[in-house]
Amino acid sequence: KQEVTQIPAALSVPEGENLVLNCSFTDSAIYNLQWFRQDPGKGLTSLLLIQSSQREQTSGRLNASLDKSSGRSTLYIAASQPGDSATYLCAVPRFTNFGNEKLTFGTGTRLTIIP
Amino acid sequence: KAGVTQTPRYLIKTRGQQVTLSCSPISGHRSVSWYQQTPGQGLQFLFEYFSETQRNKGNFPGRFSGRQFSNSRSEMNVSTLELGDSALYLCASSLGGGSGELFFGEGSRLTVL
Repeated sequence: KQEVTQIPAALSVPEGENLVLNCSFTDSAIYNLQWFRQDPGKGLTSLLLIQSSQREQTSGRLNASLDKSSGRSTLYIAASQPGDSATYLCAVPRFTNFGNEKLTFGTGTRLTIIP
Repeated sequence: KAGVTQTPRYLIKTRGQQVTLSCSPISGHRSVSWYQQTPGQGLQFLFEYFSETQRNKGNFPGRFSGRQFSNSRSEMNVSTLELGDSALYLCASSLGGGSGELFFGEGSRLTVL
């Protein structure tokens, strides 16, 4: 059974700092890994999707890496801004006979950027 | 390009009632998945539909059901509501190819009194 862990559960950093969020998973047989952000009371916003054949994916100030063999992914946020404050979730699909839209989510890291 | 649309956004029901939630996926997406989010359990997979067929199902009781229409719009229904069904219900759409990106709606916040 796939288990996804995100540590720390909460993180506060001053504005302008670079930071790294961690995600680990127990079953390395994954097709991809997706990072999301969630603002309070809102839905999930997709940030980055890394396919299993990739090691990194970048979008603006965000960079996500994937190491399947060690069961780890990191989300790097450069030059943090108050608007980055949110809960960040990683998710991996569980393989089924009909595709892999069945995601297992981590518990999330609640990020607060201090102005 | 319109995103995933969920209706209603908020609703309050009492125990024993039933509720129907609706999800319109991104145009061209054929897969719709449903998730339940609660503070205690986090995000849990309910079920997934592709071309009007349920392909995957999570570990929820039979009170939770869903369907998908020919235009890919999906509904989920919860019958005989319990207090523990209070949650944010999220819908996600994707092309359905298996390795693609999922896009979520804003969710339907259900409160059961």
